[in-house]
Amino acid sequence: EIVLTQSPGTLSLSPGERATLSCRASQSVSSSYLAWYQQKPGQAPRLLIYGASSRATGIPDRFSGSGSGTDFTLTISRLEAEDFAVYYCQQYGSSLYSFGQGTKLEIK
Amino acid sequence: QVQLQESGPGLVKPSQTLSLTCTVSGGSISSGDYYWSWIRQPPGKGLEWIGYIYYSGSTYYNPSLKSRITISVDTSKNQFSLKLSSVTAADTAVYYCAREGTIGTTTGAGNFDYWGQGTLVTVSS
Repeated sequence: EIVLTQSPGTLSLSPGERATLSCRASQSVSSSYLAWYQQKPGQAPRLLIYGASSRATGIPDRFSGSGSGTDFTLTISRLEAEDFAVYYCQQYGSSLYSFGQGTKLEIK
Repeated sequence: QVQLQESGPGLVKPSQTLSLTCTVSGGSISSGDYYWSWIRQPPGKGLEWIGYIYYSGSTYYNPSLKSRITISVDTSKNQFSLKLSSVTAADTAVYYCAREGTIGTTTGAGNFDYWGQGTLVTVSS
């Protein structure tokens, strides 16, 4: 089973700042099968990025994904108030799916 | 617009079987373009994939839960269901149903593009 480790656990930033979230895999992940989700309290996760770098429908272009192999990054270029939430990375491989433990993005 | 909606008891006694149903609207389970999954999230914790089913009835389960899980599909009702047996307090969680595309769909395979709102199931006597 591939273990995904996200860092930092909590990121405190101000609106307008740039956020960089990391997801590291215990073994190589196909870029086609790396996704990022945003989850707000009391809501289901929302797909942001699939295939490591493709934005899902309706996702603003301030969200971008990059990376390959074992290291992936979600970048939010200029934070807006609605971006403060928990973010999860997720991978699929060998018919198994796993999620990272999440990064909480909080207002500083 | 595709919508998924979970339903089922919010309270289950220890050692009993948890049963949930996901009703899909705005699209047909029988289209063959998607896999249909269950995912859970214990309160204040992260996400755990439980298993999926294809419209044909083929399934794949998380090995850590495999001995206790049954996922089934009813294409006539556009629903799929989860049964988790011998539950304990550790199974207390919000349970989500979610859709995964296949290669050739908009977001491709390996990710979950539509989710239900989730339903909290508490295991307690």
